[in-house]
Amino acid sequence: EAGVAQSPRYKIIEKRQSVAFWCNPISGHATLYWYQQILGQGPKLLIQFQNNGVVDDSQLPKDRFSAERLKGVDSTLKIQPAKLEDSAVYLCASSPAVPSGRTHNEQFFGPGTRLTVL
Amino acid sequence: QKEVEQDPGPLSVPEGAIVSLNCTYSNSAFQYFMWYRQYSRKGPELLMYTYSSGNKEDGRFTAQVDKSSKYISLFIRDSQPSDSATYLCAMISTSGTYKYIFGTGTRLKVLA
Repeated sequence: EAGVAQSPRYKIIEKRQSVAFWCNPISGHATLYWYQQILGQGPKLLIQFQNNGVVDDSQLPKDRFSAERLKGVDSTLKIQPAKLEDSAVYLCASSPAVPSGRTHNEQFFGPGTRLTVL
Repeated sequence: QKEVEQDPGPLSVPEGAIVSLNCTYSNSAFQYFMWYRQYSRKGPELLMYTYSSGNKEDGRFTAQVDKSSKYISLFIRDSQPSDSATYLCAMISTSGTYKYIFGTGTRLKVLA
């Protein structure tokens, strides 16, 4: 079974530029997550999709970040304009569904995109 | 106060040692407790998960949850150099949306 794919793996941009990241989840997984992981910290959830609907985007800086999941499969995360503090690894994860009762529904992570903003 | 607290380390141990990794939390609504392992430049991978309280064992790994103390632990027996990684605890609340809250991660180095 193929894992979660992300591209690009690395990106270097200057502040105020725009950048986009792409994620292809595991086939059949209904739930897709985007996380931001700043160096030395744990992943922080930015947005969660259930199929192509947004479940939680409370921690997404909506003035500069946007995300979409067209047709409930692939997803893109965009930053426009980028700031220095956006330098981080952006992780995409997918799971079959959300946890329910005692069923965990494991989250599978992609390798991440390492963004450096100069 | 952060919802989940985890000592960032680094923690260095000799090969074969028993390793104890811990997290504390403040939200009593957390019901799912997980441990992830993250190698350098890779995404996290799930090691163990526990629903509510209790212990769970899988090979050299044991996860414990003490909800009364809001404290979770991961024990690694007979540690190997290949266990060198960052270990992240994560929790999910069952109130509202099922949002994962991660600790900062503890960097572990097992010396050969």
